[in-house]
Amino acid sequence: QKEVEQNSGPLSVPEGAIASLNCTYSDRVSQSFFWYRQYSGKSPELIMSIYSNGDKEDGRFTAQLNKASQYVSLLIRDSQPSDSATYLCAVNVAGGYNKLIFGAGTRLAVHP
Amino acid sequence: SQTIHQWPATLVQPVGSPLSLECTVEGTSNPNLYWYRQAAGRGLQLLFYSVGIGQISSEVPQNLSASRPQDRQFILSSKKLLLSDSGFYLCAWTARIQGQSPLHFGNGTRLTVT
Repeated sequence: QKEVEQNSGPLSVPEGAIASLNCTYSDRVSQSFFWYRQYSGKSPELIMSIYSNGDKEDGRFTAQLNKASQYVSLLIRDSQPSDSATYLCAVNVAGGYNKLIFGAGTRLAVHP
Repeated sequence: SQTIHQWPATLVQPVGSPLSLECTVEGTSNPNLYWYRQAAGRGLQLLFYSVGIGQISSEVPQNLSASRPQDRQFILSSKKLLLSDSGFYLCAWTARIQGQSPLHFGNGTRLTVT
């Protein structure tokens, strides 16, 4: 059973701080990793993808991947109240027609 | 650009009634198509995926079925709904490129079975 684990939160950070979201996965051969943001009552939207070990930066977002530790994280710098949402980690199933397995999500609350 | 349409947005159905949710993708050909369900406060569970017309793979045994009558059309159905079928149903697509292709979701259908 392939799994993706995330802390459910809520993770509460003050405005302007760095939010750090973590995810571990069980399938060692997974090659593609994604972070989605989901506002309450809405569908998930893709915010980051990462395929190689190391860091990938896009604006205020940085994704970090460590395949040896089977660990992927998302950092949000200068957190804003509009970043308050649930963040879903998704991992592809190797050889599985681009199927993604999702974690249950971490709820982030950014307070002014 | 590619867009994905999903309807209806909300649906309230009695137990035992049939269900049909529809999803269409525009702006791309030969997409992989997926149905996910999200129960309240839970993660996304993959229900079905399709790599071509008439090709459906089921991920979990359940009261639902899926069909793909056209390349960019994906339908989720049930003959008799159960209370446990309530949830947020999401259709998604990816390009056929294996591996580095994220899912793109529709706006979802919130189904309440009463």
